[in-house]
Amino acid sequence: DTGVSQDPRHKITKRGQNVTFRCDPISEHNRLYWYRQTLGQGPEFLTYFQNEAQLEKSRLLSDRFSAERPKGSFSTLEIQRTEQGDSAMYLCASSLGGQGSEQYFGPGTRLTVT
Amino acid sequence: AQTVTQSQPEMSVQEAETVTLSCTYDTSESDYYLFWYKQPPSRQMILVIRQEAYKQQNATENRFSVNFQKAAKSFSLKISDSQLGDAAMYFCAYRRLTSGSRLTFGEGTQLTVNP
Repeated sequence: DTGVSQDPRHKITKRGQNVTFRCDPISEHNRLYWYRQTLGQGPEFLTYFQNEAQLEKSRLLSDRFSAERPKGSFSTLEIQRTEQGDSAMYLCASSLGGQGSEQYFGPGTRLTVT
Repeated sequence: AQTVTQSQPEMSVQEAETVTLSCTYDTSESDYYLFWYKQPPSRQMILVIRQEAYKQQNATENRFSVNFQKAAKSFSLKISDSQLGDAAMYFCAYRRLTSGSRLTFGEGTQLTVNP
């Protein structure tokens, strides 16, 4: 399967702990997106990379959140000092360059903060 | 800022019947993309259909078609001959024409298909 993959699929952590998620995009895709989806809601944009450059960040991405894509391939999303409000599904998507390129989504990482 | 609104939190349809899901959006731009995504339970989001705003013709993909009313900023999804596998959360989404633009999603409509 050459789709977008995310690891882990589920993460339970205690409030105050740090967590890191990984996303592996489709291999030839140079664009990578992170979204957050809370229960019963649509996904909300967090941040976007073109190759290794982080080009856009949402105001939802507080200073406790950091994302990287060091070699323009996989990406990591780290949340420091987790809070209960961080509990959500974190979705990764990737796309080719080009105006009309479709975003392909991964299965998501479900975070539960206790 | 662009917004997308889905006013139907839940819909149900009998197998083999037709159902229409509603979506409205707000934007000041004249060219953009609109999408319908399907998210089955515990499975990843997949694209169902897309519409380019500069195209007057409504998009169709097999049993799925849209009714795009640009002036009214309305973008509904019609599913014909509904199948049990169509049961999922459906999201309407907007994207600017610019390369690399984010998707802006509506709140979703949970579709149930009754046998």
